[in-house]
Amino acid sequence: DVKVTQSSRYLVKRTGEKVFLECVQDMDHENMFWYRQDPGLGLRLIYFSYDVKMKEKGDIPEGYSVSREKKERFSLILESASTNQTSMYLCASSSSGQEQYFGPGTRLTVT
Amino acid sequence: KQEVTQIPAALSVPEGENLVLNCSFTDSAIYNLQWFRQDPGKGLTSLLLIQSSQREQTSGRLNASLDKSSGRSTLYIAASQPGDSATYLCAVSGAGSYQLTFGKGTKLSVIP
Repeated sequence: DVKVTQSSRYLVKRTGEKVFLECVQDMDHENMFWYRQDPGLGLRLIYFSYDVKMKEKGDIPEGYSVSREKKERFSLILESASTNQTSMYLCASSSSGQEQYFGPGTRLTVT
Repeated sequence: KQEVTQIPAALSVPEGENLVLNCSFTDSAIYNLQWFRQDPGKGLTSLLLIQSSQREQTSGRLNASLDKSSGRSTLYIAASQPGDSATYLCAVSGAGSYQLTFGKGTKLSVIP
């Protein structure tokens, strides 16, 4: 079975802190994705990566950056956390053209 | 820009009923369509993937159909059970892109 893991299930950070969310997949997938999910807005794509060191902006990249130094790992970085970044963050991976598999999510609260 | 709509937003049915969840999308130039299930506070579980060249996919009590020309997909759940209670999400990827555009989901409650 494909496994996508995320470093934390719950995270509480203060405004202005730098925040790292880590995602690891074990299926040698080329593509990895970061989404955020908010009530009433659904899932929105922040960034995705189709290869090591490659990244593309999604629909809402502002305030975020990403890093993919190894194929299995995709990190989402909040350079200076703000309260409007309080959300559920979901990581996913896929082989090209195939199903996306999701991690369990990280619920981030910024106070 | 692709838009995905799921109606109804919420649905409540008695146990044992067969039911249909609907998904529509505005741009028919899709690569594939995927149905997911999400339990409260959890990640998404992939249920079915339909490639654009396919008309339907089946897995157990689930059957998903795709009518690309009309921009519609349905997820049929046979003999519903309380354990089927969850939010069901539909998502499409555009031709030449692996990004998914999601609907906002249908929250299903199966009453024992």
